[in-house]
Amino acid sequence: EAGVTQSPTHLIKTRGQQATLRCSPISGHTSVYWYQQALGLGLQFLLWYDEGEERNRGNFPPRFSGRQFPNYSSELNVNALELEDSALYLCASSPGGYNEQFFGPGTRLTVL
Amino acid sequence: AQSVTQLDSHVSVSEGTPVLLRCNYSSSYSPSLFWYVQHPNKGLQLLLKYTSAATLVKGINGFEAEFKKSETSFHLTKPSAHMSDAAEYFCVVSVAFSGGYNKLIFGAGTRLAVHP
Repeated sequence: EAGVTQSPTHLIKTRGQQATLRCSPISGHTSVYWYQQALGLGLQFLLWYDEGEERNRGNFPPRFSGRQFPNYSSELNVNALELEDSALYLCASSPGGYNEQFFGPGTRLTVL
Repeated sequence: AQSVTQLDSHVSVSEGTPVLLRCNYSSSYSPSLFWYVQHPNKGLQLLLKYTSAATLVKGINGFEAEFKKSETSFHLTKPSAHMSDAAEYFCVVSVAFSGGYNKLIFGAGTRLAVHP
């Protein structure tokens, strides 16, 4: 069974640009979660999608947004990139919202 | 409010010696607890989970954790460390929202170093 996949592996952008990160959950999983892991700040919850809807949002500004598609894959968009957005962005999926989460390998975003 | 505290930011052991990574949680009800491991530049892998069944939980790679309600602890142990165990370990508590949904609250992580 394929695990959670994320693309791209690495992404380099300049300040002010937009970044789009993609995630494909494990087959059969309807919930997708996004986390930011910045140096020194630990894992911070960003967004949670289930059945195509945003269910919960962490303490991040509106320029962090996303969506979930009918096939349950998901996109995270970060607008007006700032230097402090540089981090590892992890996607996780679960079979519904009340189970353990399975993580992808992450996308390393670097903002110059 | 639910929270989780990992008591050590760094732990260093010699190969073949026991590992103890400490975690205390705060929860207003019986929690679901997890340990995840993250190897360098990798995603997180679930080691084990506690969901109100047996208090001693066995996970992958020889790890186990014991849920102690009286101490609000969920420490991770392994009898004999291997070089490949060097990684960052996260203790996690699950928080339930109305409607049957939950989200995970992560501890700050414990970096385990294993020396030959």
